[in-house]
Amino acid sequence: QKEVEQDPGPLSVPEGAIVSLNCTYSNSAFQYFMWYRQYSRKGPELLMYTYSSGNKEDGRFTAQVDKSSKYISLFIRDSQPSDSATYLCAMILYTGTASKLTFGTGTRLQVTL
Amino acid sequence: ETGVTQSPTHLIKTRGQQVTLRCSSQSGHNTVSWYQQALGQGPQFIFQYYREEENGRGNFPPRFSGLQFPNYSSELNVNALELDDSALYLCASSFGRTGPGELFFGEGSRLTVL
Repeated sequence: QKEVEQDPGPLSVPEGAIVSLNCTYSNSAFQYFMWYRQYSRKGPELLMYTYSSGNKEDGRFTAQVDKSSKYISLFIRDSQPSDSATYLCAMILYTGTASKLTFGTGTRLQVTL
Repeated sequence: ETGVTQSPTHLIKTRGQQVTLRCSSQSGHNTVSWYQQALGQGPQFIFQYYREEENGRGNFPPRFSGLQFPNYSSELNVNALELDDSALYLCASSFGRTGPGELFFGEGSRLTVL
């Protein structure tokens, strides 16, 4: 079993729709929970991160973490064509001086006009 | 722009060859991590260097090796290339064991092994 599982998609939604992206994880030692956006042939770009259970909002984006269920979500409101990208959930594990990110497989999102 | 630069951006090698990929950290950063991202997959942790020493390693064979230099730039070396090594190789830099807000990725080096 992978430490981080992500709904594979792909997702295709019309402009203005609400998008829900989800990941589950198995390692309770993860300390930060992140969402990255990756455009084709580019490096990942950090969208949001949190370390505690609950919701965190930033503009049209809301990150939700439920540590008891080991479940994280990203909601995108009023989706735009520019949101079309691959979304990666990721989690950080610290061991000694090292910080290791474990990523989900990514969900490809297409927002159509 | 994150300030993390990688070279080359694209390269093609044949099976059995060796490759060196380079990463220049953001100014002031002393930690570099390398990740392999196969097509349609999420990045996988290869290893991390902190102040010129390897301080963490993922499930990659010894033919994946690295270096970090006194200026904190880094190299990833892969020997005896295999077809499955075809991937986007990403480096990320940070200052020590930092939170995700201070960890920055480069644009990657895309390696194709024929």
